[in-house]
Amino acid sequence: NAGVTQTPKFQVLKTGQSMTLQCAQDMNHEYMSWYRQDPGMGLRLIHYSVGAGITDQGEVPNGYNVSRSTTEDFPLRLLSAAPSQTSVYFCASSYATTIGLAGDIYEQYFGPGTRLTVT
Amino acid sequence: GNSVTQMEGPVTLSEEAFLTINCTYTATGYPSLFWYVQYPGEGLQLLLKATKADDKGSNKGFEATYRKETTSFHLEKGSVQVSDSAVYFCALNSGGYQKVTFGIGTKLQVIP
Repeated sequence: NAGVTQTPKFQVLKTGQSMTLQCAQDMNHEYMSWYRQDPGMGLRLIHYSVGAGITDQGEVPNGYNVSRSTTEDFPLRLLSAAPSQTSVYFCASSYATTIGLAGDIYEQYFGPGTRLTVT
Repeated sequence: GNSVTQMEGPVTLSEEAFLTINCTYTATGYPSLFWYVQYPGEGLQLLLKATKADDKGSNKGFEATYRKETTSFHLEKGSVQVSDSAVYFCALNSGGYQKVTFGIGTKLQVIP
């Protein structure tokens, strides 16, 4: 298993350009997410999906689009890049494991990340 | 809303020293608690988890106990190695897949 793969590893964009960050998983996981990691802020959820054809917004969705046409793939689109989107982006996949007191437990499997710089 | 508090560090220790990284949380409901580790240049990996009060998660010599009375989930290791140098994230999940909250991450540097 390759696990969760992300491409590209590094990217530099000019303000206003658009691009797509690719994410794929080969573990047949139902759930997938995109996070951004910024210094002093931990990870923040951008968008997530609970299955093919179903997506929803997370904590910081503005400026990003997602789609989930297959179980394996979950691309993240930057519509018009801004310097505030300079960050490290992580894709993650998950499935429900044991039942906890609050319901299902979700362990996340992360990709290696994409470091994006917007100038 | 939910929140996770941990120090940013860096925490610098000599090899074979005892490690504690504090994590406290606030949450509605009954959260599951996690520690993830991020080695340089890599994504996060699950290190350990606990799903109910007094549960102890353990892996690779690391341990953390779910303390509901103090809302804490401190990470400990008895003897750290240089290879443990990484960023450690405390996280909680409560009320659905998307309801996950990460701490800011604590950088650990272990020197020989």
